[in-house]
Amino acid sequence: EAQVTQNPRYLITVTGKKLTVTCSQNMNHEYMSWYRQDPGLGLRQIYYSMNVEVTDKGDVPEGYKVSRKEKRNFPLILESPSPNQTSLYFCASSKLLKDNEQFFGPGTRLTVL
Amino acid sequence: AQKVTQAQTEISVVEKEDVTLDCVYETRDTTYYLFWYKQPPSGELVFLIRRNSFDEQNEISGRYSWNFQKSTSSFNFTITASQVVDSAVYFCALSEAKGSQGAQKLVFGQGTRLTINP
Repeated sequence: EAQVTQNPRYLITVTGKKLTVTCSQNMNHEYMSWYRQDPGLGLRQIYYSMNVEVTDKGDVPEGYKVSRKEKRNFPLILESPSPNQTSLYFCASSKLLKDNEQFFGPGTRLTVL
Repeated sequence: AQKVTQAQTEISVVEKEDVTLDCVYETRDTTYYLFWYKQPPSGELVFLIRRNSFDEQNEISGRYSWNFQKSTSSFNFTITASQVVDSAVYFCALSEAKGSQGAQKLVFGQGTRLTINP
């Protein structure tokens, strides 16, 4: 089954404790992206990757890191989480062309205390 | 910069009523793509439709229909004979090309929370 998986689905942590949210896709997509969803703001892009070892900032990259060592995986790293990073996070993947729909993972609900 | 506006934050209707969700977009691109996604209470994002800027033909899929009008920069979504299972947050999105290879970024509207009451 074609899918994007994220782990964990739910996470409660404390300020400053490094964490990683994993994202994996099995569709051989070149393009992967992270979004955060906050009430009244829709989804906003954090980082994206156009292929292995190619990453770039989205609209709200502060406080986040990513890596793309393998085509299928695109982890999101919070080196020192803060309460303003409490949000619902989605990973997405697609073919490279802009007319292709993005496939979204199930979401990770993160709470930073 | 590209922008998507969904002015209706919340809509509540009684089952079997028709309901239209509005979406207005701004872009300088001549070629662009518009999307609708559904987010049910379970939280996942479900793709509903993609429309490119050259195709203004309206589309119908069962109880769902979409009205794309370039003249007013709108891409509205209508649910006919609504059902309780249609209750969800609906997002309109516009694709934006990033970089020389045109990789896609989605610019989302704020979302409209639709509640269908029995």
